[in-house]
Amino acid sequence: DIVMTQSPFSLPVTPGEPASISCRSSQSLLHTNGDNYLDWYVQKPGQSPQLLIYLGSDRASGVPDRFSGSGSGTDFTLKISRVEAEDVGIYYCMQALQPPWTFGEGTKVEIK
Amino acid sequence: QVQLVQSGAEVRKPGASVKVSCKASGYSFMSYAMHWVRQAPGQRLEWMGWINAANDNTRYSQKFQGRVTITRDPSASTVYMELSSLTSEDTAVYYCATTFTAIFSLDPWGQGTLVTVSS
Repeated sequence: DIVMTQSPFSLPVTPGEPASISCRSSQSLLHTNGDNYLDWYVQKPGQSPQLLIYLGSDRASGVPDRFSGSGSGTDFTLKISRVEAEDVGIYYCMQALQPPWTFGEGTKVEIK
Repeated sequence: QVQLVQSGAEVRKPGASVKVSCKASGYSFMSYAMHWVRQAPGQRLEWMGWINAANDNTRYSQKFQGRVTITRDPSASTVYMELSSLTSEDTAVYYCATTFTAIFSLDPWGQGTLVTVSS
């Protein structure tokens, strides 16, 4: 199975400031078609997870443009350009290159 | 809008089975796969398997092979996940999620179903 590792575990942020989460995979997520099969999800308090970023850098419908995904191969980053109070939650990366799909352990974003 | 509505919370004794349903609406049911993911207390999200709604093909995580069965009823736009031989370690919230946005990405998700296994 592909192992996904996120850092940091916890991320206190000040509203208006940027934030960055790292995700590494135990093997390359770059498909032969040129896409990276890496998604980002957020689980807000009391809610189901929701898709933020797919294929490494494509924002899902309705996701604010302050969220961006980057990276390729085994190293990926989710950036929030200016954190807002509504962004609190647990952020997960997930690989969808090969079954079983596997998730990172999550990064808890909280407001200072 | 695309929506997945799951069945309600369940309590089971060790050794029993549970069947959770996920009803889809707002899109062509047969056009997208449906995945099941669970979240045990304090644990990361864990993928269990998926079904191709068009042809009934399934793929399961090796961890659950032999214990999990995912089926579909196109006439009801509903997918089912049955897990057998339950233990306390199966206590978790179980989510269904379809692939409306991208072929292997999970979007949207159902509201989750809490399954509690306790004697």
